[in-house]
Amino acid sequence: SQLAEENSWALSVHEGESVTVNCSYKTSITALQWYRQKSGKGPAQLILIRSNEREKRNGRLRATLDTSSQSSSLSITATRCEDTAVYFCATPITGNTGKLIFGLGTTLQVQP
Amino acid sequence: GPKVLQIPSHQIIDMGQMVTLNCDPVSNHLYFYWYKQILGQQMEFLVNFYNGKVMEKSKLFKDQFSVERPDGSYFTLKIQPTALEDSAVYFCASSFGLGGQEQYFGPGTRLTVL
Repeated sequence: SQLAEENSWALSVHEGESVTVNCSYKTSITALQWYRQKSGKGPAQLILIRSNEREKRNGRLRATLDTSSQSSSLSITATRCEDTAVYFCATPITGNTGKLIFGLGTTLQVQP
Repeated sequence: GPKVLQIPSHQIIDMGQMVTLNCDPVSNHLYFYWYKQILGQQMEFLVNFYNGKVMEKSKLFKDQFSVERPDGSYFTLKIQPTALEDSAVYFCASSFGLGGQEQYFGPGTRLTVL
């Protein structure tokens, strides 16, 4: 089965700094999604990057996808305290059923 | 943006009782999902639902679980009877289509089975 997993369990930065969260997966994918989950809330999609794309941006967020190494990264520039959350990568499985496989998540703490 | 609502936010019940978790998906969405998240663990897919039918269910979707969306109202997850291992946060999600389209998640229902 496909798995999406982040490489770091937890990261801590200070406001204004940049940070990168990494994700690796084990089988071919059609797309990879980055989600953010704040405490007590459901996940919210940040970026969807398709397998034929190498980079996607959304404001201060930048996602990359390297299908040869089966890895993706999410970079956040000029971090803010409100970026504190758990960041997941997720992949839809093949077969187009909509089922998402989530990684374990990386907890990001942005300190003032 | 579009919102998915879940009722209740918390539910505490005794083992063996029945519980129904309610989800109000985004109004024009066609696909509905339930995911289960145990504290500190991965979000795991339970089931998805389209056009009145279950499309796919995981091994976590035990025989005691059922889903329905009667007359286009709430999308519900029913557990009867509940077991201790059912304690978790259950997230509902909906999407307009498939193919990697964004799934919008609700805030979750925290279920505690005593």
